[in-house]
Amino acid sequence: NAGVTQTPKFQVLKTGQSMTLQCAQDMNHEYMSWYRQDPGMGLRLIHYSVGAGITDQGEVPNGYNVSRSTTEDFPLRLLSAAPSQTSVYFCASSERTGYYNEQFFGPGTRLTVL
Amino acid sequence: GEDVEQSLFLSVREGDSSVINCTYTDSSSTYLYWYKQEPGAGLQLLTYIFSNMDMKQDQRLTVLLNKKDKHLSLRIADTQTGDSAIYFCAESPYGGATNKLIFGTGTLLAVQP
Repeated sequence: NAGVTQTPKFQVLKTGQSMTLQCAQDMNHEYMSWYRQDPGMGLRLIHYSVGAGITDQGEVPNGYNVSRSTTEDFPLRLLSAAPSQTSVYFCASSERTGYYNEQFFGPGTRLTVL
Repeated sequence: GEDVEQSLFLSVREGDSSVINCTYTDSSSTYLYWYKQEPGAGLQLLTYIFSNMDMKQDQRLTVLLNKKDKHLSLRIADTQTGDSAIYFCAESPYGGATNKLIFGTGTLLAVQP
């Protein structure tokens, strides 16, 4: 199994540009989520999905869109990039047990918005 | 609201014990977790503890849970340079009824040879 994969690994955008961060998992996990990691702030939840066709907002959803058309894929879209979105983005997946759950993380995408 | 706090930095010498502390707020958290992030990588689950336990030992790792004070700690015995990483504690709020995790700010552990 490849686990959780993310592309690209690095990206530089100009303010106002749009882009999609890709995330895929091959473990048949129902639950997937996107976090951003900023220095001194830990990981903050952006959006999450409990299964195909179902998404919901996390702690910091503004400026981001998600969709979940398949179990495997959970792309994150930046509609109009802003410098405040400069961060490292992690995608994670887990089985939808609702109790103990190990979240499996991708390697991250480092995004810089100029 | 939910908030998980950790100190930002810990420096130890190789061979010493490391203790990383965490305080959390949601008393209904069913499981509490420790994740490790090595440089340039994603997070990996290191260990976890069920909320009805006080202590869990796993080789060099000891997790202590004080539910009254909502305090969680991770002790690493005989710390090695390969243990240098950022350590995150995380709680599962809402009684674990969802897969959501609330992460702390992370503690950077620097191991000096």
